[in-house]
Amino acid sequence: EAQVTQNPRYLITVTGKKLTVTCSQNMNHEYMSWYRQDPGLGLRQIYYSMNVEVTDKGDVPEGYKVSRKEKRNFPLILESPSPNQTSLYFCASRPQGQGYGYTFGSGTRLTVV
Amino acid sequence: AQSVAQPEDQVNVAEGNPLTVKCTYSVSGNPYLFWYVQYPNRGLQFLLKYITGDNLVKGSYGFEAEFNKSQTSFHLKKPSALVSDSALYFCAVRDGSGGYQKVTFGTGTKLQVIP
Repeated sequence: EAQVTQNPRYLITVTGKKLTVTCSQNMNHEYMSWYRQDPGLGLRQIYYSMNVEVTDKGDVPEGYKVSRKEKRNFPLILESPSPNQTSLYFCASRPQGQGYGYTFGSGTRLTVV
Repeated sequence: AQSVAQPEDQVNVAEGNPLTVKCTYSVSGNPYLFWYVQYPNRGLQFLLKYITGDNLVKGSYGFEAEFNKSQTSFHLKKPSALVSDSALYFCAVRDGSGGYQKVTFGTGTKLQVIP
C-alpha cells in the first residue's frame, strides 16, 4: 500500500530532551515536507526537501532540523524542544511533476512539558 | 506572497442539503488549487485539484469545486451532504510556475452535517 509512515503517533517529552520524529514513504516521491498544525493557524511548513541531500526552510523552521540521506526517509529533529513546539506534526510527500497533491502521514501529536 | 483564505471556521448543513465550503486565494503566477479533508485523528487526504482546463473539477466522495479566476475563488461543493462528510476541510494553493513551489494551506473549515 502506498503510504507515508510517521512514528511515533503520540509523544510526551520534557523541555530540552532531544527527539526525532521519523517519516518514511514507499512511493519513490522526490518531494517531502514537514508541517505543523495548530488551531486557528492551519498547516505551516517547517522544512521541505526536493530530493536526497536537498533541503530548505519553510515558514517556521526555528528549533527544527531535518536530513534527507535516503530518498524514502525524512526525519524531523528537535534538538532542544520547548513548550511552544507542542503541536500536531505531519509529514507529506509528492512526486516532482507539476500538479500533484501531497500524500500525508497520519500525524504525530507532540507535547513538550 | 501567496495566501489562502477560508472565511468560515465552521459550516453547518442538514443531511441531504447541498453544501459549499468557501476558499479564496492569492498567487502571483498561475494557480494550482487543491482541497484536502481531515477526519478526526487522521492525516489529510487529497480530494481534488484544479490545474488547468474545465473550471468545474470533480473529486472523491462526490465532491466538486469551481474555479473562478475573476473572483480568485475555488469553492468546494457537494449536491447532497452526508453525515459522514463531517470533517475538517483545507484549501491549498501553489504557484504553477516551474520548479519547486511551496504549497500554502488555509486555516481550515469544519463541516458539520446534521442528521
